[in-house]
Amino acid sequence: DVKVTQSSRYLVKRTGEKVFLECVQDMDHENMFWYRQDPGLGLRLIYFSYDVKMKEKGDIPEGYSVSREKKERFSLILESASTNQTSMYLCASSFLEGGAGYTFGSGTRLTVV
Amino acid sequence: QKEVEQNSGPLSVPEGAIASLNCTYSDRGSQSFFWYRQYSGKSPELIMSIYSNGDKEDGRFTAQLNKASQYVSLLIRDSQPSDSATYLCAVNGGDSNYQLIWGAGTKLIIKP
Repeated sequence: DVKVTQSSRYLVKRTGEKVFLECVQDMDHENMFWYRQDPGLGLRLIYFSYDVKMKEKGDIPEGYSVSREKKERFSLILESASTNQTSMYLCASSFLEGGAGYTFGSGTRLTVV
Repeated sequence: QKEVEQNSGPLSVPEGAIASLNCTYSDRGSQSFFWYRQYSGKSPELIMSIYSNGDKEDGRFTAQLNKASQYVSLLIRDSQPSDSATYLCAVNGGDSNYQLIWGAGTKLIIKP
C-alpha cells in the first residue's frame, strides 16, 4: 500500500525550540506539500516542493523553512517554535501534473508550550 | 484571489437519505476537481475526482460537475453514520495543474 509517512503523530515542544517534522513518501511523487490545519481556518499551505532541492513559499511561510535533499523526503523546520504554531501539520504528495490529487500523511499534532 | 466556497454546515441528514454537498469555485481555468473526506482528528482522504462536465458515480458516491456554473457537488446515497465527517472540496488552480485550492469543508452529520 502506497504511503505518506509522518514521523510523529503527537509532539510537544517548548517555546524557542527548533522543531523538525519529517515526511517520507514511497510513491515516487515529484510534488510534496506542507499544510497546517486549524479549526475554522481550513488547510493553509506553508511550503511546497516540485523537485529535489526546490522549494516554493505557500501562503503562510513565516517562521518556517523546509528541506528536500531527496525526492522521497520533505522536512518542515520551525526555527524557533512559538505557541501560535500549535497546530495539526499535514504533509501531502502528488505527481508533477497533479491530476490524480494529493495523498496525505496521517498528520502531526504539534503543541508548543 | 482564487477561491473555493463551501457551506461550513453542519449538514444533518437522516440515515438512509441522500446527502448533498456543494462547492463553487472562482477560477474558470480549473480542470481537476476533488472531494476529500476527513474524519475528526484524521487526515483528508481522497474519495472522488472529476474532470469533465456531468456525473461520475462510484458506489454510493456521485460527483457532479458543471463548469459553466463553476459548481461541483457530491451526493452520498443511502447515508450511513460512518459517513459523518467533514468533506473538503479541492480544485486545481488554472495556471498550476498541481496546486490545489481548498474549500474550508462541510461538516456532515448522519443521524441514526
